[in-house]
Amino acid sequence: GNSVTQMEGPVTLSEEAFLTINCTYTATGYPSLFWYVQYPGEGLQLLLKATKADDKGSNKGFEATYRKETTSFHLEKGSVQVSDSAVYFCALAGGSYIPTFGRGTSLIVHP
Amino acid sequence: DGGITQSPKYLFRKEGQNVTLSCEQNLNHDAMYWYRQDPGQGLRLIYYSQIVNDFQKGDIAEGYSVSREKKESFPLTVTSAQKNPTAFYLCASSPTGYSYEQYFGPGTRLTVT
Repeated sequence: GNSVTQMEGPVTLSEEAFLTINCTYTATGYPSLFWYVQYPGEGLQLLLKATKADDKGSNKGFEATYRKETTSFHLEKGSVQVSDSAVYFCALAGGSYIPTFGRGTSLIVHP
Repeated sequence: DGGITQSPKYLFRKEGQNVTLSCEQNLNHDAMYWYRQDPGQGLRLIYYSQIVNDFQKGDIAEGYSVSREKKESFPLTVTSAQKNPTAFYLCASSPTGYSYEQYFGPGTRLTVT
């Protein structure tokens, strides 16, 4: 079956630091890949997506590239802000009506 | 504005009472989902529905029930049989198909004492 593995948190950074949150997946076929963000007490919001190999999704300074050869979709941002503090979920959809989510990675950004 | 609404935001109930959580969407999506989220945990699928009048159990359906009488609505009932109902409940929808992203509501935090 499909699975998503993302790095354990919390990830703690100072403002303006570089962010990487690792995500790897196992899936049959060619899934679509997503990053969602969840702010405290809220639902998840789609942050970015990629639908085929080598696609780069980007939004609000965040980027992730669909790497089929390494089955990865790592999230990056060049300079984080305090307002980026949230939980980030990697997910895939493909081959099933049920998407597969990672366990989430908490990001804490200090001023 | 298109989106998903969940009500209420906070819900308190006494143990032994059934409670129904509302989920409505105006995105014209066929598929709808209910998830449960516990502190520091990921999402666990309770029920999902691909079409009106049809729904399937997810990973943790015991103690929950749903209905899908209208495309726009997918209410979740937490029954007294659910042993640990206190949690954050999230509703989501998506277009039908294998590869689409999900759109989430703001969530309902249920506390049972």
